[in-house]
Amino acid sequence: DTGVSQDPRHKITKRGQNVTFRCDPISEHNRLYWYRQTLGQGPEFLTYFQNEAQLEKSRLLSDRFSAERPKGSFSTLEIQRTEQGDSAMYLCASSLDLAGGGETQYFGPGTRLLVL
Amino acid sequence: AQSVAQPEDQVNVAEGNPLTVKCTYSVSGNPYLFWYVQYPNRGLQFLLKYITGDNLVKGSYGFEAEFNKSQTSFHLKKPSALVSDSALYFCAVRTNTGGFKTIFGAGTRLFVKA
Repeated sequence: DTGVSQDPRHKITKRGQNVTFRCDPISEHNRLYWYRQTLGQGPEFLTYFQNEAQLEKSRLLSDRFSAERPKGSFSTLEIQRTEQGDSAMYLCASSLDLAGGGETQYFGPGTRLLVL
Repeated sequence: AQSVAQPEDQVNVAEGNPLTVKCTYSVSGNPYLFWYVQYPNRGLQFLLKYITGDNLVKGSYGFEAEFNKSQTSFHLKKPSALVSDSALYFCAVRTNTGGFKTIFGAGTRLFVKA
């Protein structure tokens, strides 16, 4: 399967702990996105990479959140000092850029985080 | 600011009947519009998109959507619903002037009854 993969699929942690999620995009895709989805809501944009460069970050992404995409391949999203409000589904998507921005984003299955 | 509205939390339709899931948007610049479907505990699956050209867009699983610029709408349609179409549907918008941030609607849950 050559789709977007995410690991782990589920994570339960205690408040105050750090967690890290991994996303492996479709191999030829140069753009990678992170979203957060809470129950009953649509995905909310967190951040976006073009190759290894992080080009845009949402105001939702507090100082406790950091994302990297070394070498422009896989990406990691780390949440430090987790809070109960961080409980959500974290979705990763990737795309191959087309001139003008109309390309399709392909989503991974998500990582469901529960902070106790 | 970009926004997307899906005015119906839930749509109920009988199998075999046509279905419509509504979406309206607000953007500055030309919109790129997308529909995704989400099944329980799964990521989003792409259905179709409008970039430019013909206002009627055909996508996966027999779905289609019509871009209406004057009404700023992009409603999702299917001529004959299947029970297996029951899922959560999201409309999304991006513009060519707003970076690469995509705004999603809150979603509409579709129930198709046998």
